[in-house]
Amino acid sequence: ETGVTQTPRHLVMGMTNKKSLKCEQHLGHNAMYWYKQSAKKPLELMFVYNFKEQTENNSVPSRFSPECPNSSHLFLHLHTLQPEDSALYLCASSQYPTGRGEKLFFGSGTQLSVL
Amino acid sequence: EDQVTQSPEALRLQEGESSSLNCSYTVSGLRGLFWYRQDPGKGPEFLFTLYSAGEEKEKERLKATLTKKESFLHITAPKPEDSATYLCAVRVAGGTSYGKLTFGQGTILTVHP
Repeated sequence: ETGVTQTPRHLVMGMTNKKSLKCEQHLGHNAMYWYKQSAKKPLELMFVYNFKEQTENNSVPSRFSPECPNSSHLFLHLHTLQPEDSALYLCASSQYPTGRGEKLFFGSGTQLSVL
Repeated sequence: EDQVTQSPEALRLQEGESSSLNCSYTVSGLRGLFWYRQDPGKGPEFLFTLYSAGEEKEKERLKATLTKKESFLHITAPKPEDSATYLCAVRVAGGTSYGKLTFGQGTILTVHP
């Protein structure tokens, strides 16, 4: 399998549930990212991990908790979400987090609905 | 505050009808402008990176250009398979952000046979 794989593709959860999104990259990259894509809004960066270390938290509420056990895997743990958190959550990777010309490789995303 | 604005929001073309998408930006210290294509149900796919005014990149029917204030994505003789949302993003210098891109809202392109 190649590229960036996200599971599940779709998730429906209640406001009191706890769930996790999973991302795996098979590209040998060293940086991984979580983005949020809401309808009619630009992509929003949530978290950045560089060599397994979190290097950016873009003022994300604590109900979103990322975890990066190694350079190939990234999780987003969700708890007590709000309906406005419903969105497409995209995982991405890049070989390095900085520098000119660093392009991102995205997964297909998890479409999250919070009821 | 860094801003990226794409226009139009949506564009409908007939097959073979050439046109352009616009991405205007207001940033300090541009370190790269990126174009991505996003198909329904999928994540964005990288198309081009442009670094300096006057630079051009081409790929099949697509050509991206850059000025000091905006970028254009020209589509020549489009086909229905070019239908997608096209996203523009800019990377800026400075700060402590790693790999932070500021994205525009995208242009939804529909090409009719």
